[in-house]
Amino acid sequence: DAKTTQPTSMDCAEGRAANLPCNHSTISGNEYVYWYRQIHSQGPQYIIHGLKNNETNEMASLIITEDRKSSTLILPHATLRDTAVYYCIVRVGVVSSGSARQLTFGSGTQLTVLP
Amino acid sequence: KAGVTQTPRYLIKTRGQQVTLSCSPISGHRSVSWYQQTPGQGLQFLFEYFSETQRNKGNFPGRFSGRQFSNSRSEMNVSTLELGDSALYLCASSTVSAGVRADTQYFGPGTRLTVL
Repeated sequence: DAKTTQPTSMDCAEGRAANLPCNHSTISGNEYVYWYRQIHSQGPQYIIHGLKNNETNEMASLIITEDRKSSTLILPHATLRDTAVYYCIVRVGVVSSGSARQLTFGSGTQLTVLP
Repeated sequence: KAGVTQTPRYLIKTRGQQVTLSCSPISGHRSVSWYQQTPGQGLQFLFEYFSETQRNKGNFPGRFSGRQFSNSRSEMNVSTLELGDSALYLCASSTVSAGVRADTQYFGPGTRLTVL
């Protein structure tokens, strides 16, 4: 799976949009971009994933550049509850039986939402 | 749908003992993966089970083992516990079916294991 690079930490004011960048310059054509977050000592929470088109759900939006070498997770109106470590993961989508299916987590970005 | 559940949530053991952790996946999910999270190593993959068969294994010693039952519930076992096994153990389930273009793993709350 392609390696990702994320900033170590970011701050965001409550109520403002939080934009979390991720670089994945070695991404392959069949690899998806997944975002998870982890609030202290809890299990990671799935946020969103995408292949090449921008995606939006009730939690966030995912913007993937045309060359797919980077992406941005957008939390439109950050709240204090969004303070967490955010992980950007690149992984193949449909995998055949026996092939690697695990998620490889990096260090992530510690997002702190400030009141 | 109920989420992934893990029991127990907290566990304290002493060195040399063994421990069994349990994971119940989301209904309909047939794949269960286990991860270990420590402050020093971060989140690391342990193994994955699908249809009662281990399909993939991470770089952990043989003291770490697991199994999956016909109802997709999974257990992991750690024998001869060491201090370094203190960690948050996470279980994740996903659906594996034809037509699913990109499966998503959903995590449980984890079991916090402390080895004294």
